[in-house]
Amino acid sequence: GAVVSQHPSWVICKSGTSVKIECRSLDFQATTMFWYRQFPKQSLMLMATSNEGSKATYEQGVEKDKFLINHASLTLSTLTVTSAHPEDSSFYICSASARAGELFFGEGSRLTVL
Amino acid sequence: DAKTTQPNSMESNEEEPVHLPCNHSTISGTDYIHWYRQLPSQGPEYVIHGLTSNVNNRMASLAIAEDRKSSTLILHRATLRDAAVYYCILRAGRTGNNRKLIWGLGTSLAVNP
Repeated sequence: GAVVSQHPSWVICKSGTSVKIECRSLDFQATTMFWYRQFPKQSLMLMATSNEGSKATYEQGVEKDKFLINHASLTLSTLTVTSAHPEDSSFYICSASARAGELFFGEGSRLTVL
Repeated sequence: DAKTTQPNSMESNEEEPVHLPCNHSTISGTDYIHWYRQLPSQGPEYVIHGLTSNVNNRMASLAIAEDRKSSTLILHRATLRDAAVYYCILRAGRTGNNRKLIWGLGTSLAVNP
């Protein structure tokens, strides 16, 4: 079946540094990719929607200058957390939608900011 | 956007059937009922979806009430690997826009050996 891969699966960084998370669709072209954030014991919160070749659409309350999203190709989207702080520590999950609309999720990336 | 209501947690014994309920009283005519599950520290995994008729696949069965205001995910024989958080979600249209998804807290299923 279709696979969405995220990298890294976990990352620890110092406060103030930037972290990039990659999301790849391995065997299909993802016209749309979505980025979620999930805090412990909470549900998934949609952060932004990105379409290949265009700017991402951010949900209300999500800072676009802090969470940079690039969707340069049909198989790769990246999320960069700029100037990360401890409150940005979370589980970040991407999902990808194929042309038929099926939705597939990555394994998630756990970010810990010290 | 239509919301769903699920019990916070449920418990089952291994090898026994599990019925996970979901209420969606404000469902619209074009909303499909989707179920995903999330194992600890993993991304969600698709389980099953349906519109009006009951559905079966290798993972589970989905029973949809006649008025579509509720549905039940059925795991026929629970295994330890089925311990996860199960989310019942409404998606507008068969391949609805992801922005329509509202993720609640789901039901945390514990499976006892």
